[in-house]
Amino acid sequence: QLQLQESGPGLVKPSETLSLTCTVSGGSISTSLYYWGWIRQPPGKGLEWIGSIYYSGTTYYNPSLKSRVIISVDTSKNQFSLKLSSVTAADTAVYYCATQGGGGIFDPWGQGTLVTVSS
Amino acid sequence: DIQMTQSPSTLSASVGDRVTFTCRASQSISTWLAWYQQKPGRAPKLLIYKASTLETGVPSRFSGSGSGTEFTLTISSLQPDDFAAYYCQQFNTYPWTFGQGTKVEVK
Repeated sequence: QLQLQESGPGLVKPSETLSLTCTVSGGSISTSLYYWGWIRQPPGKGLEWIGSIYYSGTTYYNPSLKSRVIISVDTSKNQFSLKLSSVTAADTAVYYCATQGGGGIFDPWGQGTLVTVSS
Repeated sequence: DIQMTQSPSTLSASVGDRVTFTCRASQSISTWLAWYQQKPGRAPKLLIYKASTLETGVPSRFSGSGSGTEFTLTISSLQPDDFAAYYCQQFNTYPWTFGQGTKVEVK
């Protein structure tokens, strides 16, 4: 059974780059079955898809964030990562990683990690 | 982008009630729709996909219906564990988009 776990700094300064890693356990990230996605949720608000990656490196990004986002995969570590540059307070959110299967269904999800953008 | 609109934003109900809420897409998404349940401080949990297919392990009191632009999620008899927020998500076209959520609270 797949399990995902986010890791990374909980505090990032404005204008800097947010970096998070998602470690996949219980299965290989190099499977043809899934993409691997990042979703975020500002405090008290709804969900926003950030982007997704295939094990081969193929990526899809939300156009609203595309200019600032890089998602990469490290198959040797069974991990995928998110980098979001030039952050502002509006990027403060719980960031989730998730398995994207069935065309675009997210299941399972990691537990989420709160990233606060503040000086 | 396809906009997803959920209504109502908040629904007050009692244990045992039959509750229904709606998700509308700004353009047709066929049945490429998922529903998630989220409890405070927890990650969303997949309930239903392809508009009406119940995820394994999800109680049968949950059901989904609809196609095109209008979808509903119904809980046939609300249980204490069901007080939570519910989100719809379209996976017809990138970028994937979510509704703003419906919160089911105690009446």
